[in-house]
Amino acid sequence: AQKITQTQPGMFVQEKEAVTLDCTYDTSDPSYGLFWYKQPSSGEMIFLIYQGSYDQQNATEGRYSLNFQKARKSANLVISASQLGDSAMYFCAMREGGVNQGGKLIFGQGTELSVKP
Amino acid sequence: DVKVTQSSRYLVKRTGEKVFLECVQDMDHENMFWYRQDPGLGLRLIYFSYDVKMKEKGDIPEGYSVSREKKERFSLILESASTNQTSMYLCASSARGAPGNTEAFFGQGTRLTVV
Repeated sequence: AQKITQTQPGMFVQEKEAVTLDCTYDTSDPSYGLFWYKQPSSGEMIFLIYQGSYDQQNATEGRYSLNFQKARKSANLVISASQLGDSAMYFCAMREGGVNQGGKLIFGQGTELSVKP
Repeated sequence: DVKVTQSSRYLVKRTGEKVFLECVQDMDHENMFWYRQDPGLGLRLIYFSYDVKMKEKGDIPEGYSVSREKKERFSLILESASTNQTSMYLCASSARGAPGNTEAFFGQGTRLTVV
């Protein structure tokens, strides 16, 4: 069954340091996508980064990178040079299915990141 | 600017009432989703729809139903509201296709309180 697990309910990081948020997943579908979203205290959901199951390279978007280890079924988010504005809830998500398939999108429990000045 | 709009930001309903939560998207997306968000539990999928009049159960469909009569609108229905359905409800939409181009866009959320 499709499943996403985030085992870190809360994390602290010093401003300007890097931080890794863990995410493991389970699926039997060879075609899937992995997403990370940020939810600040305002409540909006902000898309950060995407990794496809067939992508050969780890995805990067500015200060965000996704450490994709397919054999271990992990998709950790790395935030470099943390900023105070990075304090938020972070969700890992997965969607199964290839083209023209309406695969469901499921989320993990979330990790609350606090950046200390 | 792409948009997913939920009809209410805050709702207070009485136990036993029938409650409708409406969601409209203007991106011509095929897929639409309803989640509830509770502290420590993340976002849990209630129902999703991949086409007009098509729906599939998510992980926690009990006590809920959905309707999708038009492509842009996806409604969540609480047939008989109960206090354990007090939660934040989030609607999202995404395009069909390989997961590569199908990030989900979210509405602002509806905080429902059942008293």
